[in-house]
Amino acid sequence: AQKVTQAQTEISVVEKEDVTLDCVYETRDTTYYLFWYKQPPSGELVFLIRRNSFDEQNEISGRYSWNFQKSTSSFNFTITASQVVDSAVYFCALSSNQAGTALIFGKGTTLSVSS
Amino acid sequence: GAGVSQTPSNKVTEKGKYVELRCDPISGHTALYWYRQSLGQGPEFLIYFQGTGAADDSGLPNDRFFAVRPEGSVSTLKIQRTERGDSAVYLCASSLAGGPLNTQYFGPGTRLTVL
Repeated sequence: AQKVTQAQTEISVVEKEDVTLDCVYETRDTTYYLFWYKQPPSGELVFLIRRNSFDEQNEISGRYSWNFQKSTSSFNFTITASQVVDSAVYFCALSSNQAGTALIFGKGTTLSVSS
Repeated sequence: GAGVSQTPSNKVTEKGKYVELRCDPISGHTALYWYRQSLGQGPEFLIYFQGTGAADDSGLPNDRFFAVRPEGSVSTLKIQRTERGDSAVYLCASSLAGGPLNTQYFGPGTRLTVL
């Protein structure tokens, strides 16, 4: 079975703090993909990143960075110097290599950044 | 260009009634997905279309739920004999083609409330 666990339900930080959102996944597939989506208060899910199971290189995009570790089945997301606009619900998701396989989402982490 | 659109944005109905929810995918996208998001949860997969056909409907909870995509573009999710437990936000996503290498772009959702 495939499963995504986001143990942090809610996180509150003050602007300019760094924050890490945890994601742990379970799958028996050797080829799979991991995703992060952002859901701002407007409700529309916004794609942030996709990572395949064979690429364990960390990735940085501006203030965002992702740490993929197969040994611990984790795909954590760090926001550096957080801003109020980062306030949203963040979802980690998993998909197998099979065509058309749907995304399996975690329950999400609500991030609140105050000024 | 235009993103995924969904209508209506809100739908309130009474228990036992029939409802239709519409999704207009991004032009040219052959793959279309429906998800359901309950309060405090991540989106849960319902059904996936590749072109006009339902390639995977394993997420539909029961036979009260049905979806169509007759011309390979617009899709309609149909719920018969609605129950209070059907209350949720119904999300539609489309991608250029099926498979995890093609980013799923989400619409704003339809919030369904069954009284």
